Amino acid sequence: NAGVTQTPKFQVLKTGQSMTLQCAQDMNHEYMSWYRQDPGMGLRLIHYSVGAGITDQGEVPNGYNVSRSTTEDFPLRLLSAAPSQTSVYFCASSYSSGLDTGELFFGEGSRLTVL
Amino acid sequence: TQLLEQSPQFLSIQEGENLTVYCNSSSVFSSLQWYRQEPGEGPVLLVTVVTGGEVKKLKRLTFQFGDARKDSSLHITAAQPGDTGLYLCAGASNTGNQFYFGTGTSLTVIP
Repeated sequence: NAGVTQTPKFQVLKTGQSMTLQCAQDMNHEYMSWYRQDPGMGLRLIHYSVGAGITDQGEVPNGYNVSRSTTEDFPLRLLSAAPSQTSVYFCASSYSSGLDTGELFFGEGSRLTVL
Repeated sequence: TQLLEQSPQFLSIQEGENLTVYCNSSSVFSSLQWYRQEPGEGPVLLVTVVTGGEVKKLKRLTFQFGDARKDSSLHITAAQPGDTGLYLCAGASNTGNQFYFGTGTSLTVIP
């Protein structure tokens, strides 16, 4: 009964390094998304996907790339990390997209620090 | 762009008191959700409201969607320490593909 699994839970990077945050869900959800959470700002949408092979930008996509080669996985890539990307990142999935999009199921989060 | 503003940002009350959290926007949403988040965990859905003017009750929690579908409120009656957490509202875009989260209200209920 895993739900949405994110790895790693914690990561420290130096400015300019690259890394990938992994997200996997076992609920056969079509819709997946990535958010970042910063104090006093709630969650902001980075990228989302409505199905395998389809991705789109959210509110704050700059500095991040995503791909969706399978229904289960939705990795988030930071190509050249910057201190402004220090945040807690959440992956979320839902059973469908469009106006029928329902409950978002969230992972436990990945806390990233960029020095 | 922060489309949803929540108030208050922080709230500390005694067990047994009532409280209301507000979620306001100048934008119209196709639906609005409320989530609760505990430290070290992801948000968990409490309720979804879809129709303007809709009121939903979940035990001691009452949720209302504004008539114009631009705002919402969460009222908790007789708060308990287990209600402590971060409450987030989230509005769905017209396509339903993007959820815009509010700034959050951190609630602490003191025993």
